[in-house]
Amino acid sequence: GAVVSQHPSRVICKSGTSVKIECRSLDFQATTMFWYRQFPKKSLMLMATSNEGSKATYEQGVEKDKFLINHASLTLSTLTVTSAHPEDSSFYICSARGIRLYGYTFGSGTRLTVV
Amino acid sequence: SQQGEEDPQALSIQEGENATMNCSYKTSINNLQWYRQNSGRGLVHLILIRSNEREKHSGRLRVTLDTSKKSSSLLITASRAADTASYFCATEGTYKYIFGTGTRLKVLA
Repeated sequence: GAVVSQHPSRVICKSGTSVKIECRSLDFQATTMFWYRQFPKKSLMLMATSNEGSKATYEQGVEKDKFLINHASLTLSTLTVTSAHPEDSSFYICSARGIRLYGYTFGSGTRLTVV
Repeated sequence: SQQGEEDPQALSIQEGENATMNCSYKTSINNLQWYRQNSGRGLVHLILIRSNEREKHSGRLRVTLDTSKKSSSLLITASRAADTASYFCATEGTYKYIFGTGTRLKVLA
């Protein structure tokens, strides 16, 4: 079946630094990838939708300069949290939709802790 | 808010009992999925029900969908302690999934 690999699974970084999270579709081409954020004991909030080769579409309230999304190929999308602050600490999950697949496949998530 | 609502927010039952969770959403959908999430982990896909389906079964899971009421329910029969987790519904509308607020299920042994 379709597999999405997300890396790293955990990351701790210092305030002010940037962190990159990768989301790869391993056995299918992902035309669209989605990035979600989840606070403790809360639901997943859609941050942005990225289509290969075009700019990401951000949900209302999500800072595009803060959360840079790049979808340069059909198998890779990256989320970069720039100038991270403790309030950016969260669980980030990506999902991908394939060209000939029905439904979406989720990555295993990245727990970001900013200290 | 785009999010769907789930109720109850939290549910605590004894092992062997059935657990029912409900999800309501706001817009027309193509399909609805239910996911499970153990604490601090990623999502596990449980079941997908299309907008033209009314009921679906998978093992101890039973999902219903009422598009006229914009609601779905997830029933877990004969619950086990290992079913303890958060359960989310996610609706696919226009090319993206929106998650419900989730139900935290605790099954007591």
